[in-house]
Amino acid sequence: DIQMTQSPSSLSASVGDRVTFTCRASHTINSYLNWYQQKPGKAPKLLIYAASSLQSGVPSRFSGSGSGTDFTLTISSLQPEDFATYYCQQSYSAPLTFGGGTRVEIK
Amino acid sequence: EVQLVESGGGLVQPGGSLKLSCAASGFTFSGSAMHWVRQASGKGLEWVGRIRSKANSYATVYAASVTGRFTISRDDSKNTAYLLMDSLKIEDTAVYYCTRYQLERTFDPWGQGTLVTVSS
Repeated sequence: DIQMTQSPSSLSASVGDRVTFTCRASHTINSYLNWYQQKPGKAPKLLIYAASSLQSGVPSRFSGSGSGTDFTLTISSLQPEDFATYYCQQSYSAPLTFGGGTRVEIK
Repeated sequence: EVQLVESGGGLVQPGGSLKLSCAASGFTFSGSAMHWVRQASGKGLEWVGRIRSKANSYATVYAASVTGRFTISRDDSKNTAYLLMDSLKIEDTAVYYCTRYQLERTFDPWGQGTLVTVSS
């Protein structure tokens, strides 16, 4: 199974900050990497697919990059509604696996 | 509007069974692979399994943690997917989500989730 490791597990930031967090795969997954946002009590929401493609309707302050084993998600200017937990997920091979998540908290 | 609605969650004793449903609307359900993902309280997301479309022989695959205990099925005439859970363990306690697997290899959309609690 491909293991997905996210770092940090949590971070504190302020509105307007640029934040970046990472996701590492235990084996190469090419660009088969998706990012989801989850708010408390809600289902995950797709943000980025294929490592860097922005899902329709997602604000352009979100961006993704990377290929192979190392990936990043960047929020260029953190907004109040962005405080949430972010998960990466590989769709390269079954079983499809998720990272442990990065929780973004208000500083 | 593309929508998934889960139902069937509840409290069940260890060793018991429960069947979850996932009702789909707003898209061609019969042509879509459907997956189940679960999340224990305060924990991350864990993929449970999936069922492919009729064109792909309704093929199923499961996570190792549930293989032999959980069964995914579907009724395309009712636009509904199911997750039958047998021999439930305390560690199966979680919110269970159904989600559509898209051509882009993404999970979208997701249902609102249904809580399964395994406890004596």
